[in-house]
Formats: sequence, C-alpha cells, structure tokens
Amino acid sequence: ETGVTQSPTHLIKTRGQQVTLRCSSQSGHNTVSWYQQALGQGPQFIFQYYREEENGRGNFPPRFSGLQFPNYSSELNVNALELDDSALYLCASSLVTNQETQYFGPGTRLLVL
Amino acid sequence: DQQVKQNSPSLSVQEGRISILNCDYTNSMFDYFLWYKKYPAEGPTFLISISSIKDKNEDGRFTVFLNKSAKHLSLHIVPSQPGDSAVYFCAASARAGSYQLTFGKGTKLSVIP
Repeated sequence: ETGVTQSPTHLIKTRGQQVTLRCSSQSGHNTVSWYQQALGQGPQFIFQYYREEENGRGNFPPRFSGLQFPNYSSELNVNALELDDSALYLCASSLVTNQETQYFGPGTRLLVL
Repeated sequence: DQQVKQNSPSLSVQEGRISILNCDYTNSMFDYFLWYKKYPAEGPTFLISISSIKDKNEDGRFTVFLNKSAKHLSLHIVPSQPGDSAVYFCAASARAGSYQLTFGKGTKLSVIP
C-alpha cells in the first residue's frame, strides 16, 4: 500500500504570487482533504474533495482553491499570497467507506516573503 | 474559539511509566475522536480513534478514554518508550458532512530513558 505523497517539500514565494501544491493520495483512497498548519498550531481544515467535487470547506477565503483528478491526485492553489499564508500544508486521504480516519502526507512547507 | 483544546503544551515521562495526554472539546456535534502522532518534518500519523458510542478503545500500548458528559478524552500510553517522543494531536469530527477534522494545538511528549 503506497502512502500519501506531496510535492514540493519546500517552497518560497513572494507576497502577491500564486502557488500550486500537489498531493498523491494513498492507493484506494478516494477522498482528499487539505489542511494548513501554522507554527505552534494544530492543522486547520481548508477543504475536502470527493469524486472531483468540493465536499466541505473550512474558514478560508476563495483565493484558496483546489482540484481532484480521476486518479485521486489533488492540487491546492493559493492566489494573491499573503505573509500569513506561510505554513505547513498537509494533504490527507481516506476511504469513502471510512472517511473518519484520514492519513496524512509529509506536507509542503511554504514561506511567503 | 477553540473547539478542541489540549491544555498541556508539553509532558515529560520516564521510560516504562504511563503517559496520559488530555483533550477537551466544546462542540456537542463531535461524535468521532482521533489521536495523531507527529514527528518533526513528517505528517501526522494516525494512532487510535474512538466513536462517541464507546467510552474506551484499546490498541496495544495505546488506550483512549472518552467521557462524553465532561467532553473530555485522554490517551494513555503504557509502558512509555523513548520512540513515543513526539507531538500528539487530538482531533474531532462530526460525521454528518465532510468529516473535517478539528485539531487541538498538540502536546509534546518527551519520554526520558
């Protein structure tokens, strides 16, 4: 069973730029969620995708958007980057028959200067 | 408004002793609870979970207790091992909907040999 992978591992952007983060879900998992973890905080839910459609969203502005592809890989896009967007971005996947348990990737650390 | 609270930022325990990590929640809609372990530079690793219909779930050295009336759960690790040293996150979800996880801020456990 393959794990959840994310790319890139680290990224540096400047304020106002756009960024795309990628996630490859665990084999057989067809629900993917994205979380933002700021320093010293727990992960915070951004949104979830199921069957390529958004299936729930946390308290994040529309400049945070996502895509899920037929092979269950996923992207997180953030437009008009702000300094406060600097964080660890985590992707998690789960089986639709057991959505309660989510399995996380290693994350992408984004620094906005 | 923090719906999941881990009030102890850190905990030190001697190897072989019991580690008890605590978590409180405020949202009555939460009906599924999870504990994750996180090492530096890695994503959270699922440890153990409990449904609100139970008050105890055990998996090897790890036991989670749920007290619904007090809106409190705890994770017991017996016996503690140096490899258990990590940050532990408590998370909760309300099954109706997108199964988004709400996390606490984490407790850093140090097991001293």
